[in-house]
Amino acid sequence: EAGVAQSPRYKIIEKRQSVAFWCNPISGHATLYWYQQILGQGPKLLIQFQNNGVVDDSQLPKDRFSAERLKGVDSTLKIQPAKLEDSAVYLCASTFRGSGTGTLLNTEAFFGQGTRLTVV
Amino acid sequence: DAKTTQPPSMDCAEGRAANLPCNHSTISGNEYVYWYRQIHSQGPQYIIHGLKNNETNEMASLIITEDRKSSTLILPHATLRDTAVYYCIVRVAPGKLIFGQGTTLQVKP
Repeated sequence: EAGVAQSPRYKIIEKRQSVAFWCNPISGHATLYWYQQILGQGPKLLIQFQNNGVVDDSQLPKDRFSAERLKGVDSTLKIQPAKLEDSAVYLCASTFRGSGTGTLLNTEAFFGQGTRLTVV
Repeated sequence: DAKTTQPPSMDCAEGRAANLPCNHSTISGNEYVYWYRQIHSQGPQYIIHGLKNNETNEMASLIITEDRKSSTLILPHATLRDTAVYYCIVRVAPGKLIFGQGTTLQVKP
């Protein structure tokens, strides 16, 4: 079974430029997450999708970050304009959701390798 | 905010059992305890999870106290490749994994 695919693997941009990251979850996985991991810290949840709908985006800086999952499969995360403090690894994860929240809480999430963003 | 507390670092001798503690005193009745680990430059890797019973798989064992306020991840025979950051996570509705700072486990020869 293929894992969560992310691209690009690395990206270097100047501040105030825009950037986009792509994620293809494991086939059949309805729940998709985007995390931001700053060096030396644990991953921080940015947004959670259930199919193509947003479940939680309370930690997403909406003035500059946006995410979409139009067909309920792959997803893109965009930053525009980027700031120096956006330098981080952006991780995508997915989970298969059965019926009911209880099933989701009892199902492991799988992470991709991440995209390392450097803003200079 | 993370609902777990872990020691920042631990050492373990190669071949010995590594016991990683975690406190989660505010856990709710339907919330699961998950463990992930992260090796440098890789995404977090799932290890094990449980609700209230002890769990074991090919990687590790998870011991959860009866009151569910703490747990211990056991790697029975640590190897150098087990050196990583280990995250204890309480998974909350609607399925969020809220990471803390984790424990850096250093396995030494």
